[in-house]
Parts: sequence; C-alpha cells; structure tokens
Amino acid sequence: KNEVEQSPQNLTAQEGEFITINCSYSVGISALHWLQQHPGGGIVSLFMLSSGKKKHGRLIATINIQEKHSSLHITASHPRDSAVYICAVETCGNDMRFGAGTRLTVKP
Amino acid sequence: ETGVTQSPTHLIKTRGQQVTLRCSSQSGHNTVSWYQQALGQGPQFIFQYYREEENGRGNFPPRFSGLQFPNYSSELNVNALELDDSALYLCASSLGGNQETQYFGPGTRLLVL
Repeated sequence: KNEVEQSPQNLTAQEGEFITINCSYSVGISALHWLQQHPGGGIVSLFMLSSGKKKHGRLIATINIQEKHSSLHITASHPRDSAVYICAVETCGNDMRFGAGTRLTVKP
Repeated sequence: ETGVTQSPTHLIKTRGQQVTLRCSSQSGHNTVSWYQQALGQGPQFIFQYYREEENGRGNFPPRFSGLQFPNYSSELNVNALELDDSALYLCASSLGGNQETQYFGPGTRLLVL
C-alpha cells in the first residue's frame, strides 16, 4: 500500500464543473504539497499546506491533519486545467513521498 | 516560469555510462531536491541538499550522487547507468528548511539504451 493515495486516478469533467481530488496519507508529515504537471513534464507547485485551507484563484486546497487527508478543489473548471495533479508529503525525516497523480481532462 | 532551469533538456546514454545533470536554482534558495519520474509514474525523491550538504535521501543506490555549489547550482550524477534509469529527472529549489514552497525545473529526460 502506498503511503500517499490519491483518488480518483482519472477524472473527466465538462467545462464549468466543480472538481475534487482527494489525497490520503499514512505517514507523519510536516507539510503537504499539491502539484500540477502538464504534458511534457513541467511541474508547478500549486499549494503547500500544513493546516487549514488555502485559496488561489479558482483553486482551493484543504487539509485535515487528524484525518490525514487533503483535498484539492477546482471551481468553474476549464480545459486549460487539464493536467496531472500530484499530492506530495514532506515527512518528518526530510523525505518527500508522492501520490501517483490524478489525470484530469476537462472537455469544452 | 519558476526561475529554476535544468540542462540538458534531453539526453541519450548507453548502459554502463555515467551522466551529469545540472540544475540552476533561484538566487537565495539554499535547498535543492532531486526527483526521478519514470514514465507514467509519480516522482520519486532521490535526495536533498541544503547549503552544500546532503540533507535527506530517498531509496536510491549510492551510484546516484549529488553536489550543490555556492552559486545556487547543483548536479545529479549517476554512475553505471542501467536501463531502468530512463526517466524524467526534476530538480526543485526552495529557500530552506521544511515547509517551504518548492519551485520545480522543467526536467531532463534521460534515455538509457
């Protein structure tokens, strides 16, 4: 069992839909990152969380430390949001563990 | 644009050879991390350097080594290349310490034949 589990693995949505991607982890962490990876490999860091909630534009990330769970929400989704979204945790031992990613396709 | 650059963008090597990949971090970023991402998989943490010292290491053999320089550049060296080393190699820099946003470079795609 992976230490960082994401769901769903693949997600197809229509433009404008509200999207939620979930991440659960089983290790102690100092922070959790949500990353966006476009075709070709470029990775963009979307959020870094250690508690609570953060919002940036149409993106919202939440984390529940007690439940070891985080969610990434996209409001009013757009085709340009199509990418792989990766949840990554920083362990207390200066290590990073990654989820397998969620492939999002937003259709016009 | 994250301000982090990597070179080369693509590289082809043969089994047994050695390779050096380079990363240039944002100025002032004392921490650099290297990741390996095989095709269709999530990134795997290789190691992290902070102020030129190795600060953490993932489950990679000693033939994966690194260097970090005072000018915010760093290298990933891989000796005795194996076919399974074919992957996208990403570096990411941050100011330093835990709980810092990491800025990723575009990656170097390595193919080992």
